[in-house]
Amino acid sequence: QVQLVESGGGVVQPGGSLRLSCAASGFTFSSHGMHWVRQAPGKGLEWVAFIRFDGTNKYYADSVKGRFTISRDNSKNTLSLQMNSLRAEDTAVYYCAKDSQAVWGAFDIWGQGTMVTVSS
Amino acid sequence: IQLTQSPSFLSASVGDRVTITCRASQGISSYLAWYQQKPGKAPKLLIYAASTLQSGVPSRFSGSGSGTEFTLTISSLQPEDFATYYCQQVNSYPITFGQGTRLEIK
Repeated sequence: QVQLVESGGGVVQPGGSLRLSCAASGFTFSSHGMHWVRQAPGKGLEWVAFIRFDGTNKYYADSVKGRFTISRDNSKNTLSLQMNSLRAEDTAVYYCAKDSQAVWGAFDIWGQGTMVTVSS
Repeated sequence: IQLTQSPSFLSASVGDRVTITCRASQGISSYLAWYQQKPGKAPKLLIYAASTLQSGVPSRFSGSGSGTEFTLTISSLQPEDFATYYCQQVNSYPITFGQGTRLEIK
């Protein structure tokens, strides 16, 4: 079935780094743009980053620009988010999500999320 | 592009008809989606292109609007509809979400 599974979350100290992964299955990963979205505890959804289906275009939220890097490996059906210089305000559940032109760019498939806690 | 949802909190009963509004700070054509999120779960796509129901979503959900003003309507609330709802614009980057509307049982 169509599925996204995130991994790599955990507890990290401020200023530290963490790499999240998202394993895709059940659809043609190399044909779709992919996103990371986060949700701080008790808060709303915040879009974080996008990568085009072929990896040629990337966009970031201002809050993470210069610190986070989105990438993908279409040969392994895997999306990644390298997070550096982490801050307390980066604490959140991180979701990967697939977009689709069939739904006008909305996010039709989401992973279950992985928790990132930035704390000393 | 800022999205402002109203109300932020809504208390309603099973069988009620409820409407949530989402206003965009600038025109986004029909590039608006609605999501439902239950506690501890990922968001679920309900409506895209402002008014198109995603496959598998019950027909009691409907969306309307274009430009800067949009609505999500649930025609007859069911127990499983009590959740938080978010609008999202996918017209331009950075993609943005509304702040959410929490729908609770009266």
